Amino acid sequence: DQQVKQNSPSLSVQEGRISILNCDYTNSMFDYFLWYKKYPAEGPTFLISISSIKDKNEDGRFTVFLNKSAKHLSLHIVPSQPGDSAVYFCAATAGAQKLVFGQGTRLTINP
Amino acid sequence: DSGVTQTPKHLITATGQRVTLRCSPRSGDLSVYWYQQSLDQGLQFLIQYYNGEERAKGNILERFSAQQFPDLHSELNLSSLELGDSALYFCASSAGSDSGNTIYFGEGSWLTVV
Repeated sequence: DQQVKQNSPSLSVQEGRISILNCDYTNSMFDYFLWYKKYPAEGPTFLISISSIKDKNEDGRFTVFLNKSAKHLSLHIVPSQPGDSAVYFCAATAGAQKLVFGQGTRLTINP
Repeated sequence: DSGVTQTPKHLITATGQRVTLRCSPRSGDLSVYWYQQSLDQGLQFLIQYYNGEERAKGNILERFSAQQFPDLHSELNLSSLELGDSALYFCASSAGSDSGNTIYFGEGSWLTVV
């Protein structure tokens, strides 16, 4: 049972444009959501998070939006830069803190 | 650098053997987590310890076990290894045990079973 889903395995965006990565979840008990960025052979790096009591959180070029009624969250990167090319994982947690990850989306920023 | 340290970085061993992966959490963090990443399964939660006690269990095989020591470092023991156990094993840590505590990951330990 895939509780956190990232339906797009890959995404290509031109440098300077907006990258939008999407994530859907099924467990209504999730109360905290996080985005991680991962380069090959490295550990996931925390990017940004959002609590279920909010619908938006912004940190520099990164903004996460949460739509609880649709059980959907998205990560916006503006403007996209070549160094943003990586695999992005959406993750969610419900109380006990174990993160449930999506399958990841490989973002490629083209010059 | 996340502050989470994992050793060894790479390990090659034969089927049927046993290995131990070690993790030192970030200074002050009480929770330690273990995740497995394989090509076809993505990132899978294995187990969580909080201040020395098991807190949550995920898709951890019976052949695998973990513990967290009084100094808060943790070890993941993998026994009777099979080819399918080849994966990247991540340790992560966080300050507390409630939602809202960001979890930080180590660089991972590559295990290859031949």
